[in-house]
Amino acid sequence: GNSVTQMEGPVTLSEEAFLTINCTYTATGYPSLFWYVQYPGEGLQLLLKATKADDKGSNKGFEATYRKETTSFHLEKGSVQVSDSAVYFCALSEGTGANNLFFGTGTRLTVIP
Amino acid sequence: GAGVSQTPSNKVTEKGKYVELRCDPISGHTALYWYRQSLGQGPEFLIYFQGTGAADDSGLPNDRFFAVRPEGSVSTLKIQRTERGDSAMYLCASSLLGGVPGELFFGEGSRLTVL
Repeated sequence: GNSVTQMEGPVTLSEEAFLTINCTYTATGYPSLFWYVQYPGEGLQLLLKATKADDKGSNKGFEATYRKETTSFHLEKGSVQVSDSAVYFCALSEGTGANNLFFGTGTRLTVIP
Repeated sequence: GAGVSQTPSNKVTEKGKYVELRCDPISGHTALYWYRQSLGQGPEFLIYFQGTGAADDSGLPNDRFFAVRPEGSVSTLKIQRTERGDSAMYLCASSLLGGVPGELFFGEGSRLTVL
């Protein structure tokens, strides 16, 4: 079946530090991979995506590369800001046309000034 | 409104009672999804509508859970004979046919507490 394993949090970093949040997946086919973010008091929103192996998704300074050989989709940012404090969810879809997503457990990031 | 709207934002009920949670998707979005999120967990898929029909209800945990979308817009998630284990955040999302694959627009959720 499909599943996503995500680095447990919480993660606390100082402003301008480098961020990595690990994500690995198990899928029966060729999934699409996503990172969603939930800012305090808001709904989940798509941060970035990659639909095939070696694709790199990027947005707001965040990047993640779809690695089929290691079944991973790690999220990185070179210099975090206080405004990046949020919960980050790795997710996959089966890529069969349906858009329902399988989510990881989420990683809470707190960035301190 | 501009986003997905869910009501109520909070619902406290007693074990055995019936509950309805409502979702108003973004106008024009034909696909609608319900997810359930327990504390410390990621959202778990419950059901997916394309228009008025349930295209995939494989995530509904048992027959106490039911969802409808009679006019292809607003959806209601119905839970009968609630149990304490049903306590969770219930999330609704919508997406646009032909939009970015996997881009779901989520509401802020309805938090259900069963005492």
